[in-house]
Amino acid sequence: SQQGEEDPQALSIQEGENATMNCSYKTSINNLQWYRQNSGRGLVHLILIRSNEREKHSGRLRVTLDTSKKSSSLLITASRAADTASYFCATSGAGSYQLTFGKGTKLSVIP
Amino acid sequence: GAGVSQSPSNKVTEKGKDVELRCDPISGHTALYWYRQSLGQGLEFLIYFQGNSAPDKSGLPSDRFSAERTGGSVSTLTIQRTQQEDSAVYLCASSLLAGEETQYFGPGTRLLVL
Repeated sequence: SQQGEEDPQALSIQEGENATMNCSYKTSINNLQWYRQNSGRGLVHLILIRSNEREKHSGRLRVTLDTSKKSSSLLITASRAADTASYFCATSGAGSYQLTFGKGTKLSVIP
Repeated sequence: GAGVSQSPSNKVTEKGKDVELRCDPISGHTALYWYRQSLGQGLEFLIYFQGNSAPDKSGLPSDRFSAERTGGSVSTLTIQRTQQEDSAVYLCASSLLAGEETQYFGPGTRLLVL
C-alpha cells in the first residue's frame, strides 16, 4: 500500500514559473526523499530531508518537511521544459530499508 | 559501472511462461532492492538484499516470484507462470550500505504479459 499521497496529481505550468508539489504520509519516518522519473523509466534522486530538518535547498529545489502535519512540499523555481517529469516522494521508517512511494505528481512545463 | 543497469529493457511474454530479469548494481554497493511499478498499484517494494542474503522478502506478491543474488553483485528476479497482472516496470536500485538512505535506480525492465 502507498504511504505517501502527492498532490496535485498533475500540474501544467509555463516555463519560468515556479512549481509546487505536496506530499502527505501516514506513519512516522526517518527521512523523506523526492525522486524524478522521466517517461516511466528509472528514478533519479533529487533531495533527502531528515525527520529533524524543516527545510532543505539544492539548486532550484526547495523541500520543506512538517512532521506534525506529516507533510512535505517540493518547490521547483524558475522551471524549465526539461523539468517535465513525474515527481515522487518516498519515505523510510526506523529500521526499514525499503522506500515507500507516493503515487506521484506529473509535471508539464510548457516552453 | 557508472550506474545501475538492468536487462532486458523490454520483455514481452505469453501468459504461463517464466521470465528472468537481471540487475547489475553499482560496483561496490552491498545493498540491492527490487521494486515494481504498475498503473494500478504505483511503486511497490518487492525484496531487498544485503550481500547475498535477503532479510526482507515481504513485498513479493506471490510464491511465483523469487530472487537471488550471487557474488554480492548481480541479482535475478524470476517470475514463474506469468500472469497478465504481472505486467509492470520492474525497477532495481542499489545503495552503498544497507540502511543508507539514498537508493540509486536503474532504468527498469518493462514487462508485458499477453
